[in-house]
Amino acid sequence: EDQVTQSPEALRLQEGESSSLNCSYTVSGLRGLFWYRQDPGKGPEFLFTLYSAGEEKEKERLKATLTKKESFLHITAPKPEDSATYLCAVQLPNTGNQFYFGTGTSLTVIP
Amino acid sequence: DAGVIQSPRHEVTEMGQEVTLRCKPISGHNSLFWYRQTMMRGLELLIYFNNNVPIDDSGMPEDRFSAKMPNASFSTLKIQPSEPRDSAVYFCASSILSGANVLTFGAGSRLTVL
Repeated sequence: EDQVTQSPEALRLQEGESSSLNCSYTVSGLRGLFWYRQDPGKGPEFLFTLYSAGEEKEKERLKATLTKKESFLHITAPKPEDSATYLCAVQLPNTGNQFYFGTGTSLTVIP
Repeated sequence: DAGVIQSPRHEVTEMGQEVTLRCKPISGHNSLFWYRQTMMRGLELLIYFNNNVPIDDSGMPEDRFSAKMPNASFSTLKIQPSEPRDSAVYFCASSILSGANVLTFGAGSRLTVL
């Protein structure tokens, strides 16, 4: 069965303390892997798309990487405003336009 | 563009009542998705449309749920009759069918069924 698993479920960091979030997937093929950020009371907001193993994308303090079975979202020197839930989603080939989301990692950055 | 617009933002109703959630996708987007989010199960895809046509409704929990997209700028998700276990945040998202396939989400409709 296709599955997307995110870890840890929750992460508390001190401001400036770098860390990584994990998204592992057991799917048959991959059309694209997406990272989203969700703030409380809002809908998810797009961050990155990765298409092939070895690919990396960066945006400010965030860097996303992709291997054949997992993706990492690296957060360098986080700030309190980085506190949010981070969701990953996979899109499979030949499924039209369908996305499967993980349950997310809730990140809290303490000043 | 105002983004994906959902209404109502909050709905509190009693068990057995009909609930209708509404969504206006981004102009020019031709795929529309309805998701349900709960703490236990995260984001679950309920149904999605391409060019106003339902493609996959296998995520719709049961016959109490129905969705329509009468035109490119409007969709509804209806629950009749509603039950307490339907309490969740319902998100609508839209995207362009080809290209990067990035989903743009609305702010969600929080449903509470008493």
